Amino acid sequence: EIVMTQSPATLSVSPGERATLSCRASQSVSSNLAWYQQKPGQAPRLLIYGASTRATGIPARFSGSGSGTEFTLTISSLQSEDFALYYCQQYNNWPPLTFGGGTKVEIK
Amino acid sequence: QVRLKESGPGLVKPSETLSLTCVVSGYSISSGYYWGWIRQPPGKGLEWIASSYHSGSPLYNPSLNSRATISLDTSKNQFSLKLSSVTAADTAVYYCARAPGDSSGLTDAFDIWGQGTTVTVSS
Repeated sequence: EIVMTQSPATLSVSPGERATLSCRASQSVSSNLAWYQQKPGQAPRLLIYGASTRATGIPARFSGSGSGTEFTLTISSLQSEDFALYYCQQYNNWPPLTFGGGTKVEIK
Repeated sequence: QVRLKESGPGLVKPSETLSLTCVVSGYSISSGYYWGWIRQPPGKGLEWIASSYHSGSPLYNPSLNSRATISLDTSKNQFSLKLSSVTAADTAVYYCARAPGDSSGLTDAFDIWGQGTTVTVSS
């Protein structure tokens, strides 16, 4: 099973600042990595797939990078609606599909 | 517009079988994609349970020790999850979702999710 590790667990950022979230895989997942955003009481929403491709309707301030075992989600200028939980997920080697433990982006 | 909606009993007794259904609208499940279930215990992260392609064998998370069964009903355009011998650890919000793929496997991430349904295991 591929273990996905996200850091930090909590990220405190001021509105308008940049946020950088990390996701590490226990073995290579190539570029088969997705990022999701989840707000309280809502289902996860796909932000990024293929490590760097924005899903339909996702603003350009969200960008993904990396391949192999190290990945980054960057939010260039945080808006109020961006404060949420973020999860990474690998779909390179399954079963099982695996998610990271999540990073909470909170208002500083 | 493709929509997924979960339904099922909100309360299940320990040792019984949890049964959930996901109704799909706006897309025929027999046309492609993997259809799957993911759960989220209260205050915790996401755990993949199972996925199935319309013409292939289902795939399951080994951590569930063969307790899960996913099945597709193309005549009703819905799919279901059964989870046997439930315990309090199975208390969670259960989501259904779809992911692009073909007979060779998944090709991408879960792009559309249902709203989720809360299941509590308690006597």
